[in-house]
Amino acid sequence: EVQLVESGGGLVQPGRSLRLSCEASGFRFDDYAMHWVRQVPGKGLEWVSGISWNSGTKGYADSVMGRFTISRDNAKNSLYLEMNDLRVEDTAVYYCTKDMAFGGYYDSSLCLDYWGRGTLVTVTS
Amino acid sequence: EIVLTQSPGTLSLSPGERATLSCRASQIVSSSYLAWYQQKPGQAPRLLIHGASTRATGIPERFSGSGSGRDFSLTIGGLEPEDSAVYYCQLYGGPPGTFGPGTKVEIK
Repeated sequence: EVQLVESGGGLVQPGRSLRLSCEASGFRFDDYAMHWVRQVPGKGLEWVSGISWNSGTKGYADSVMGRFTISRDNAKNSLYLEMNDLRVEDTAVYYCTKDMAFGGYYDSSLCLDYWGRGTLVTVTS
Repeated sequence: EIVLTQSPGTLSLSPGERATLSCRASQIVSSSYLAWYQQKPGQAPRLLIHGASTRATGIPERFSGSGSGRDFSLTIGGLEPEDSAVYYCQLYGGPPGTFGPGTKVEIK
C-alpha cells in the first residue's frame, strides 16, 4: 500500500523558515518524480514544486521561485520542501504527491496518483 | 497559460441520479493530459481519471470521463451518498499542472 506521510507544518511568522518532510512507502521511491501541491483552506489546488527521480531536475511555481527548495533522499524514501522568507499568502495545506509516470522526470507528467494527508502551514504575525 | 473553467459551481442531486461535470480549457489541449480528482471534506484529493477517460486504479465504474479539444466532462452514473465531494479537473503533461476551480457535488 502506497503511503505518503507529511510532517513539519506549523505556525510561523512572516519572513521565517520552515522545512516540510514526506516519508514514502509502498512503492519504489526512486522510480518516480515527486511533487508538493498546496491548498489554501477552502480554496483550490496549486502545484508548488516537483523533483525528478534522481534530483537532476527540479521545478517551482512562480509564486515560490527563489524562496522554496525541493529535495529528496532516495536512501531514506523521503521528500523535503525548504521554505524560506515565508509570506502570509503561503498559508495552506501542503500535500506530498507521487507522480503517476514511471521513469521519474518531474516535467513530463504531473498526474498525481497518490497524495499524503497534508500538513498545514500557517504564516501569521 | 491555459486556464481551466469548471461548471456548474455546485451540483445538488439525489442518490441514483446521474451527474455531469464540465471542464473547459481556454485553448485546445491534448486529451492525453486531462485528469479528474475527487476531494472529500477533510481528505486529500484522489485521482479518479487520467488521459481524459481512463479510470485510475480502484475507481468504480460509475465514474467515467470523456471529451477532447477544449471540452471535457466527468460523469457519475448513479450517485451514491459517498460521492459528495469537490471534483477538480487538471491539465498535466508538465508544469504548472493547472487545476480547475472545482465543482461541488451535493447529495440531497
